[in-house]
Amino acid sequence: KAGVTQTPRYLIKTRGQQVTLSCSPISGHRSVSWYQQTPGQGLQFLFEYFSETQRNKGNFPGRFSGRQFSNSRSEMNVSTLELGDSALYLCASQLEGSNTEAFFGQGTRLTVV
Amino acid sequence: GDSVTQMEGPVTLSEEAFLTINCTYTATGYPSLFWYVQYPGEGLQLLLKATKADDKGSNKGFEATYRKETTSFHLEKGSVQVSDSAVYFCAWNSGGYQKVTFGTGTKLQVIP
Repeated sequence: KAGVTQTPRYLIKTRGQQVTLSCSPISGHRSVSWYQQTPGQGLQFLFEYFSETQRNKGNFPGRFSGRQFSNSRSEMNVSTLELGDSALYLCASQLEGSNTEAFFGQGTRLTVV
Repeated sequence: GDSVTQMEGPVTLSEEAFLTINCTYTATGYPSLFWYVQYPGEGLQLLLKATKADDKGSNKGFEATYRKETTSFHLEKGSVQVSDSAVYFCAWNSGGYQKVTFGTGTKLQVIP
């Protein structure tokens, strides 16, 4: 069974640009969560999608958005990039059900210059 | 509110030393508890888990026991290796509209 796949692995963007990151969950997993990881702030929850609906949201500005497609694949978008958006963006998928663990992709390393 | 608190790092140990990383949680109900590990440049991997009180999760020589009375899930290993150098995250999931909630992570460095 394939794991969680994130593309691209690395990305360099300029301030003010926008970026879209992609995540393909494990087959059968309908919950997809996104996290931002930086050395200063650690692992921070961005949002979670289930069946194409945003179910949970972290404390990030509106420049950060996401969506989920009918096949459970998810994308997140960051508009008007700032230097502080440089981070490792991690996607995780889960089976629906009580107390299931999250399975993570390898992440997308975004550098904003 | 619901949260996970784990000990601050970094933790530096010599090879073959004993490791403890403390984790306590604040949650209603009966959450499942997890330890994740992140090696440099990688995503997080599940290390072990426990789904009910007094359960012991174990993997690769690491152990953690779900202590409901003290709301703790401390990670231990009897003899660490250089290859154990990584960041360790405590986490929990209460079910329902679940998302896994993570602690801040503890960086472990093992020196030869």
